[in-house]
Amino acid sequence: DTAVSQTPKYLVTQMGNDKSIKCEQNLGHDTMYWYKQDSKKFLKIMFSYNNKELIINETVPNRFSPKSPDKAHLNLHINSLELGDSAVYFCASSLGTSGTNEQFFGPGTRLTVL
Amino acid sequence: SQQGEEDPQALSIQEGENATMNCSYKTSINNLQWYRQNSGRGLVHLILIRSNEREKHSGRLRVTLDTSKKSSSLLITASRAADTASYFCATGRETSGSRLTFGEGTQLTVNP
Repeated sequence: DTAVSQTPKYLVTQMGNDKSIKCEQNLGHDTMYWYKQDSKKFLKIMFSYNNKELIINETVPNRFSPKSPDKAHLNLHINSLELGDSAVYFCASSLGTSGTNEQFFGPGTRLTVL
Repeated sequence: SQQGEEDPQALSIQEGENATMNCSYKTSINNLQWYRQNSGRGLVHLILIRSNEREKHSGRLRVTLDTSKKSSSLLITASRAADTASYFCATGRETSGSRLTFGEGTQLTVNP
């Protein structure tokens, strides 16, 4: 069974469009994350939710809006896509909010903005 | 500013050799974790070492942590072609909640 899943795996779209990426975890974790990995493989946290509540919001443009309908799901909606949004987006989850916990990553969504 | 920096950025070795990757960080930490990322995949947790630990082993992996130098190393012994991947260190701090700050990664290539 897949622990952390994301859809879609690939997303190719035009500048200015709005798109969503979905994430689900079946590990019973209560904390979920969105990371962005750029072309140099640098991984940077964007958001973190604990029990549907936003706890980390790194200086991300407000075109990015996460939504957590329940603690097993964390979706990412992006408005007015720009070329610079092209990257691989990873969802992750962990048990609790301590920085000592192992994080489990999804397979990633490769977003290409043309 | 980026918390973790790793060196080397790329490492190429022959199967059977040992691979050592280093990670340095800037601020105080509660723990340091190592993750592996195979090409086109998500990250997989390898090992966690707490700030009061100096060394930890897991199978062919050995991690050391020197908090006075703010550095850690990951040693993979008797490497295999399947170890080819990018390796990232990530630091966690109790005061930062669940935030992990990742290094730039080392691309390891193990040639058969």
